[in-house]
Amino acid sequence: AQSVTQLDSQVPVFEEAPVELRCNYSSSVSVYLFWYVQYPNQGLQLLLKYLSGSTLVKGINGFEAEFNKSQTSFHLRKPSVHISDTAEYFCAVTLSGGYQKVTFGIGTKLQVIP
Amino acid sequence: KAGVTQTPRYLIKTRGQQVTLSCSPISGHRSVSWYQQTPGQGLQFLFEYFSETQRNKGNFPGRFSGRQFSNSRSEMNVSTLELGDSALYLCASSLPSGTRNTGELFFGEGSRLTVL
Repeated sequence: AQSVTQLDSQVPVFEEAPVELRCNYSSSVSVYLFWYVQYPNQGLQLLLKYLSGSTLVKGINGFEAEFNKSQTSFHLRKPSVHISDTAEYFCAVTLSGGYQKVTFGIGTKLQVIP
Repeated sequence: KAGVTQTPRYLIKTRGQQVTLSCSPISGHRSVSWYQQTPGQGLQFLFEYFSETQRNKGNFPGRFSGRQFSNSRSEMNVSTLELGDSALYLCASSLPSGTRNTGELFFGEGSRLTVL
């Protein structure tokens, strides 16, 4: 079965500084990978996804992530964060091609400090 | 296009009671998944329904059940509520008809259950 590890439960960062949220996955077969964002009192919203092809994936709100198969990682990055990026971010994985459940990481709370 | 709608948004129950939560998926989506979200535990997968059939199931006790109707709307039920069932229950729909399954989920805003 696949699994996801988000290494940081909380990440404080100053406004306009760069940020990286780390995600590692475990699977013996090929996977699809996702990052979702959750703002307070809301559901989750897709930021970006990796299905195949280019390992650098660009998403909404200036976020991007890089798929690294050898390191089984899918880290999320933004070169300059804004106060409005304060939210909880979830990495998720599912097996490619089939109808399998989506497994989520425990989440990383990004706190942008003015 | 309307998003995923969950009702009720908030509810308070006491131990031993039961609760039913409802989810209306995005029009044309055929799969509905349910997750339990609690602080420190992240999102825990409950079950997934596709064309009225439970296709995947998580590791929750039998007190947690669900179903899907022919119009793809889904309900989940929790019987004999325990304090630990207090959580945000999220519903997500996916898989529009005739498209490749990418696993992308579209979430509702959740139903926040408090058990006293």
